[in-house]
Amino acid sequence: QVQLVHSGSEVKKPGSSVRVSCKASGGTFATDTINWVRQAPGQGLEWMGGIIPLFGTTNYARKFQGRVTITADVSTSTVYMDLRSLRSEDTAVYYCARGVGYINYVGGWFDPWGQGTLVTVFS
Amino acid sequence: QSALTQPRSVSGSPGQSVTISCTGTSSDVGGYNFVSWYQQHPGKAPKVMIYDVNKRPSGVPDRFSGSKSGNTVSLTISGLQAEDEADYYCCSYAGNNVYVFGTGTKVTVL
Repeated sequence: QVQLVHSGSEVKKPGSSVRVSCKASGGTFATDTINWVRQAPGQGLEWMGGIIPLFGTTNYARKFQGRVTITADVSTSTVYMDLRSLRSEDTAVYYCARGVGYINYVGGWFDPWGQGTLVTVFS
Repeated sequence: QSALTQPRSVSGSPGQSVTISCTGTSSDVGGYNFVSWYQQHPGKAPKVMIYDVNKRPSGVPDRFSGSKSGNTVSLTISGLQAEDEADYYCCSYAGNNVYVFGTGTKVTVL
């Protein structure tokens, strides 16, 4: 049974950066995809990007390109999401979710999800 | 990469059926049969209810079903139960390993 465990909550000032981690146990970490999805307070889900740890291949939503970097450490089964130039609108719960059911890394869905990390940005 | 369009809310009495629509474009929903639906209760992480438009993961009641027509997919909950009250999100593959979520729908059980 795959489990994804997040790092703890963060409070950051505008203009700074944050790193959120997601540690996987069970499953086939290296060949799975791990995606990041965020949810601002009272708002919907927003896909930010994903990584295939085995290859280090990343894909990002256009909105976040240039401001987000997703990396993976296969030796510790951990994926990291770095978000820079934080602003108040980045206050959200950040979830990691495993991508499954794809064929040649096309398609698929997200299961399971981690418990999420709350990032609060305020001065 | 605009969010897929869902109604803000739908409601029904216990035992009734409700249907949630999710409209995209030919670049996402209409172009692939890779649409999934997620249920999210307050303060909890999302849970997959439907994948590949109309398939149910094991453990998901058969009251949940999915369909697609053109650039629109739908989630139907039959025999509505109190525990179905939650937010629901569609999500589509949009090519080049990119995904897009819907705007979300709140289901209320009257």
